[in-house]
Amino acid sequence: QKEVEQNSGPLSVPEGAIASLNCTYSDRGSQSFFWYRQYSGKSPELIMFIYSNGDKEDGRFTAQLNKASQYVSLLIRDSQPSDSATYLCAVRAGTASKLTFGTGTRLQVTL
Amino acid sequence: NAGVTQTPKFQVLKTGQSMTLQCAQDMNHNSMYWYRQDPGMGLRLIYYSASEGTTDKGEVPNGYNVSRLNKREFSLRLESAAPSQTSVYFCASSGQTLDEKLFFGSGTQLSVL
Repeated sequence: QKEVEQNSGPLSVPEGAIASLNCTYSDRGSQSFFWYRQYSGKSPELIMFIYSNGDKEDGRFTAQLNKASQYVSLLIRDSQPSDSATYLCAVRAGTASKLTFGTGTRLQVTL
Repeated sequence: NAGVTQTPKFQVLKTGQSMTLQCAQDMNHNSMYWYRQDPGMGLRLIYYSASEGTTDKGEVPNGYNVSRLNKREFSLRLESAAPSQTSVYFCASSGQTLDEKLFFGSGTQLSVL
């Protein structure tokens, strides 16, 4: 079992819709959770960070964390074609510890 | 304001050749990382360094060596390149609080023929 699992997609949503991206992790000691966006041929860039159970909102993005279910998700409201990218979930066990990535979910926002 | 500088951007090797990927950061970060990215595999950790003088194996360390020369620099060496090491390599750095994000270099496209 991989430490961080994501559906590889592609997830296709129409412009203006809500995109829902999901991630599960195996280490119950994980403390912080990140969502990175990666455009083709580019380096990953941070979208959201969360470490407390519940929701965290930043503009059109909402990260949701459920530690009991070992589940973290990213919602993108009012999806735009520019949101088309691969979204990587990453998990850290504690301070100074390594960051483990999932395989990523490719999102396609269609016109 | 360079951030993480990674060289070279592209490299072609023949099987059995050796090379070193260089990485330097100017953000005074303690932690540095080397990842490889293959299609459909996400980012897989090769080695990381939590501080100057320390290195630890990640998920896929075989065939690689690293050196944390000082706080700024973290190099990745392929002693005898194999076609299976054809990949995109990313260096990254971060601080050490829970919310510290990774800053990535621009990546190295390596092809081993």
